[in-house]
Amino acid sequence: QKEVEQDPGPLSVPEGAIVSLNCTYSNSAFQYFMWYRQYSRKGPELLMYTYSSGNKEDGRFTAQVDKSSKYISLFIRDSQPSDSATYLCAMGQYYGQNFVFGPGTRLSVLP
Amino acid sequence: GAVVSQHPSWVICKSGTSVKIECRSLDFQATTMFWYRQFPKQSLMLMATSNEGSKATYEQGVEKDKFLINHASLTLSTLTVTSAHPEDSSFYICSAKSGRDSYNEQFFGPGTRLTVL
Repeated sequence: QKEVEQDPGPLSVPEGAIVSLNCTYSNSAFQYFMWYRQYSRKGPELLMYTYSSGNKEDGRFTAQVDKSSKYISLFIRDSQPSDSATYLCAMGQYYGQNFVFGPGTRLSVLP
Repeated sequence: GAVVSQHPSWVICKSGTSVKIECRSLDFQATTMFWYRQFPKQSLMLMATSNEGSKATYEQGVEKDKFLINHASLTLSTLTVTSAHPEDSSFYICSAKSGRDSYNEQFFGPGTRLTVL
């Protein structure tokens, strides 16, 4: 079993749709959970991070962590074509140290 | 946010040659830099962690004699791929963080695409 699993997609949605991206993990020691957005041929940029279980909202983005199920989600409301990118989940025991990345989900938002 | 640059952004080289990739933190001092490799449609795989002024710590399976890492200053780390072969073709990404405090965020560079012919 891989340490972090993520549906690679690709996922295509119409503009304005609500997008749900998910990751599962196996290491119960993970406490920090991050979502990165990576445009083609670019480095990842941090979208959101959460600590332990719970929800965090930032504009159109909501991150959820359920440590009991070892499951994290990223929701994008009112999706835009500019949201088209690969979304990587990452997690670790200590924020800022070595993260384990999921393989990424390719998202296409169609105008 | 803080800015991390990489140079070159892409490089093509012949098999057997060495290639150096630079990673710079432009507006902060990076005590720790990370080097990742990313194959097409795959995730980032950590290759090594380097702290300024000390030897890099390599992940299991990464050859330290093939991937030479130097972190001689607080704003610059270099990765040299020695005797490159086609299987080394990949997207190499660095990240940097400003302190040894575990709460400091990592900032990623734009990546370097290496193609070995």
